Amino acid sequence: SYVLTQPPSVSVAPGQTARITCGGNNIGSKRVHWYQQKPGQAPVLVVYDDSDRPSGIPERFSGSNSGNTATLTISRVEAGDEADFYCQVWGNSSDQYVFGTGTKVTVL
Amino acid sequence: EVQLVESGGDLVQPGGSLRLSCAASGFTFSTYAMHWVRQAPGKGLLYVSAISSNGGSTYYENSVKGRFTISRDNSKNTLYLQMGSLRADDTAVYYCARGNSPSWRNDAFDLWGQGTMVTVSS
Repeated sequence: SYVLTQPPSVSVAPGQTARITCGGNNIGSKRVHWYQQKPGQAPVLVVYDDSDRPSGIPERFSGSNSGNTATLTISRVEAGDEADFYCQVWGNSSDQYVFGTGTKVTVL
Repeated sequence: EVQLVESGGDLVQPGGSLRLSCAASGFTFSTYAMHWVRQAPGKGLLYVSAISSNGGSTYYENSVKGRFTISRDNSKNTLYLQMGSLRADDTAVYYCARGNSPSWRNDAFDLWGQGTMVTVSS
């Protein structure tokens, strides 16, 4: 089955840029979606189809996808951005949905 | 208000059954695929099941295939997950989520409920 690998944690100072990677075999050929989950809350879609943002999501959240790595970038990080982030793809060759392992973003 | 509200979570014994519901409001429920995703305590997100907008096509993750049944009633704007032969490793918060297309394939999940807790224990 298809596997998505994320770093367990990323730490960033307020105002700086956080980059969260999502590694998978030829992930650049798939559509990648990203979710933010704050403690005790349901996940929220923050980026879909590699780089599009749902309405209401700040422009500080952006995404890219190429080769074997997709990346979620959070610019001008704020304390309220602390959360777990998950990438997700549709593994069409194996007909299944896959979530990444999750990355905890800590704002220092 | 556009929202999904799950219910039905409970403490159940191993081997038991449970039916979860997800009530949708604020959007045209019948035009969207719907999904169930679960999260064990302290763990990551795991995909469970999907159903197309008209209910004609379904999908199950391997670990629940043959034990869980997804269904929907578009006249009641409600999604269901019938869970049977429950095991300890089914213990999780179960979220319903809206897919961003009528088909259940290759969706992003653009609206989530608050989740309902299922605990399987004797």
